[in-house]
Order: sequence, then C-alpha cells, then structure tokens
Amino acid sequence: AQSVSQHNHHVILSEAASLELGCNYSYGGTVNLFWYVQYPGQHLQLLLKYFSGDPLVKGIKGFEAEFIKSKFSFNLRKPSVQWSDTAEYFCAVSSPNQAGTALIFGKGTTLSVSS
Amino acid sequence: DAGITQSPRYKITETGRQVTLMCHQTWSHSYMFWYRQDLGHGLRLIYYSAAADITDKGEVPDGYVVSRSKTENFPLTLESATRSQTSVYFCASSESETQYFGPGTRLLVL
Repeated sequence: AQSVSQHNHHVILSEAASLELGCNYSYGGTVNLFWYVQYPGQHLQLLLKYFSGDPLVKGIKGFEAEFIKSKFSFNLRKPSVQWSDTAEYFCAVSSPNQAGTALIFGKGTTLSVSS
Repeated sequence: DAGITQSPRYKITETGRQVTLMCHQTWSHSYMFWYRQDLGHGLRLIYYSAAADITDKGEVPDGYVVSRSKTENFPLTLESATRSQTSVYFCASSESETQYFGPGTRLLVL
C-alpha cells in the first residue's frame, strides 16, 4: 500500500529564510505527486503537481518541488518565505493515469513564519 | 464560478443523532470524494464516487453512508454520530488526476 511521510511536523522560520519541507513516499511503481497548502481556516489549495517530465516542478507563489525517483522523495522548497506562507502543507500521492484515484496524504507540516 | 461548496460549514450535534453533510460541485466532474482531517492523521479517505450511483469505500468508511443520485451532489451521512467522528470533513472532485477541494465542514459531536 502507498504511504507518505512528512518528516517535519512543525517548522518555524523568520521571514526571508529559505524553506525545504521533506516528503517521502513508499510505492514501487510510478506515482503522481502533489503538494497542497491549507491556510488557516481555509480549504486545501493545490500548490504544484508532478506527473512526468522535468523533475523540477514550479508551482504558485514561488514554490517549487523536486522529484528524486531514487530517493522516493518530492521535497517542497521556497527560497524566501513570507509571513503569508504560514499554513499547513500536505504532500500527497496517487496512482498515475487513473482519474478518480484517491489521494494518499502525509500527516502535514505546519509552517509558522514570523515577521 | 461556485466550484465546490459544502454545507453546513460548522455543525454541533449529539452522540447518536443522524447528521448529513452536503457537497455540491458545479463543474460536472465525474469523481467525488469525502475525506476527514484529524490532527496527526492528515486527510483520510472515507468514500468516493466515480459517477452517479457508483460509490465505494475508502480507508475509514465505518459509521458513514453516502449516496450520489445526481452528478453534482455527494452527501455524506453519519447514521448515528459518535465522538470519534468529531473532525473536519472535506469534499473533493476531479475529472482528471487533480482533485479540487471544498471549504470543509467542521463537525463537533458532543
């Protein structure tokens, strides 16, 4: 069965610091990979996704993620965080080429950015 | 562009009562999903639906019932609410491999 691990439960940064959130998945085959963000009191929004091709994926709001197949990882990065990036971040996987396949989520990482 | 909506947004109920959470999407997506979000667990799939009248269990279906008589609606019913069902419930829909989420329903079972 697929599973997703997010190693950082809570990350605290100052504004302008660089961010990297870890995500590892366990699945032997090909996967689709996602990062979702949930701002306080809001619903999940898609930050970026990887299906195939260039393993470096750029998303909204200056976020990017790199898929490293050999490490089963899909880490999220941002060079300089802002206070408005305070949110909970979820990594998720699904089986490719299957519309309607459920997402398997990690437990989430809470990011707190101080101004 | 309403997208995907959920109602109610907040609900307090008592143990043993029946509760129905509503989910409505305007995109005519074929697939719809119900997840619950709990601290320390992330989001877990309760039920999903591939089309009207086609539903299937997810990871944590016990105590829940779903129906899908129309493509745009996917209600989730707690037949006899328990305290362990206190959670935030998210509905999602998709037509391809990307899911879009509703605003969530925060449910408290006393």
